[in-house]
Amino acid sequence: DVKVTQSSRYLVKRTGEKVFLECVQDMDHENMFWYRQDPGLGLRLIYFSYDVKMKEKGDIPEGYSVSREKKERFSLILESASTNQTSMYLCASRKTGVYGYTFGSGTRLTVV
Amino acid sequence: GDSVTQMEGPVTLSEEAFLTINCTYTATGYPSLFWYVQYPGEGLQLLLKATKADDKGSNKGFEATYRKETTSFHLEKGSVQVSDSAVYFCALSDPTGGSYIPTFGRGTSLIVHP
Repeated sequence: DVKVTQSSRYLVKRTGEKVFLECVQDMDHENMFWYRQDPGLGLRLIYFSYDVKMKEKGDIPEGYSVSREKKERFSLILESASTNQTSMYLCASRKTGVYGYTFGSGTRLTVV
Repeated sequence: GDSVTQMEGPVTLSEEAFLTINCTYTATGYPSLFWYVQYPGEGLQLLLKATKADDKGSNKGFEATYRKETTSFHLEKGSVQVSDSAVYFCALSDPTGGSYIPTFGRGTSLIVHP
């Protein structure tokens, strides 16, 4: 069964910490995405990547960076975590073209 | 720009009732349309899609028809089950510009009672 795996389901970090969220897909998809999901705001795109070492800003990139050194892995980095980054983070991947996303199960991050 | 509007929830139904969740869209090009489902504590799963006008997507008893004339993609199921309780997201993917980045609706929560 094809899947997108996010390294943690729940994470608690302190304000100011550097936080790494990892995502791995086994479908050889070219495209990978990071979203955050907040009540009342829906899904918001943070960053995405079309290929290894490529990255593009989404709608809300401030306070985040990403890394894609291998095709199957896409990391989201919170350089200095803040309480307003408490959220559910969803990773997704997709083949190039008009295809649906495959999502991971999400990481619920709490910054205290 | 592109947008997706879904009916606000929660939608509350009894088991075996008929379900409709409305979705309308605006797009500059000729988008593909999707429905995703998110069960509690999980990520989203692709439920069905349609890539051109009058296409009908279907899966697990759910179906939706791409209506270009009304710019709609309403989700329907003839008889819901308690296990269908989840949040449903309508989305469009517009190839204009080549990015195919989807635009999501805000989601509609469905609660099914026994």
